Amino acid sequence: DQQVKQNSPSLSVQEGRISILNCDYTNSMFDYFLWYKKYPAEGPTFLISISSIKDKNEDGRFTVFLNKSAKHLSLHIVPSQPGDSAVYFCAARRGGTNAGKSTFGDGTTLTVKP
Amino acid sequence: KAGVTQTPRYLIKTRGQQVTLSCSPISGHRSVSWYQQTPGQGLQFLFEYFSETQRNKGNFPGRFSGRQFSNSRSEMNVSTLELGDSALYLCASSRDSNSPLHFGNGTRLTVT
Repeated sequence: DQQVKQNSPSLSVQEGRISILNCDYTNSMFDYFLWYKKYPAEGPTFLISISSIKDKNEDGRFTVFLNKSAKHLSLHIVPSQPGDSAVYFCAARRGGTNAGKSTFGDGTTLTVKP
Repeated sequence: KAGVTQTPRYLIKTRGQQVTLSCSPISGHRSVSWYQQTPGQGLQFLFEYFSETQRNKGNFPGRFSGRQFSNSRSEMNVSTLELGDSALYLCASSRDSNSPLHFGNGTRLTVT
């Protein structure tokens, strides 16, 4: 049972336009959500996060939206730049003693064309 | 501030052998987690250590084990290697369980 799903394996957008990456989850116990970016031959790097008590969090060009009723979150990148081309992973965590365990989606490969 | 360091970067082993991977977390980080990434797959959680104690464990067979030392450095061991163990093994550290993970660049294990 995959608890975190990224249904789009890939996404291609034009430089300057908006990139929207989606993520769905099934476990209602998740209360903290994160996005990581991964370049080839490197480990993932943390991008942005959101707590379940919020529905939006912004950091520069990156905004994460959380819809708890739909168990859906999305990452918006505006404007998209060629350097944003990477694999993006959505991750979810429960609080308490399970806080150290993150459940990841399979990733979405974003390609931003100049 | 130095990042998470994993050694070695690449490893080739034969079926039936065992392997030990090493991870040095960011200074001051007490939580260390291990993840497995196979082609086309997301990151699968192996285990998490905090202050030398295994606090969480994923759904992997007992051939996968780990430990954490008093200086927070961690090792992961896989015994009786199988072809399906070929993967990128990622170590991540965090200041505490409520902080984002900081990943190393991984160890690419190939089992032949």
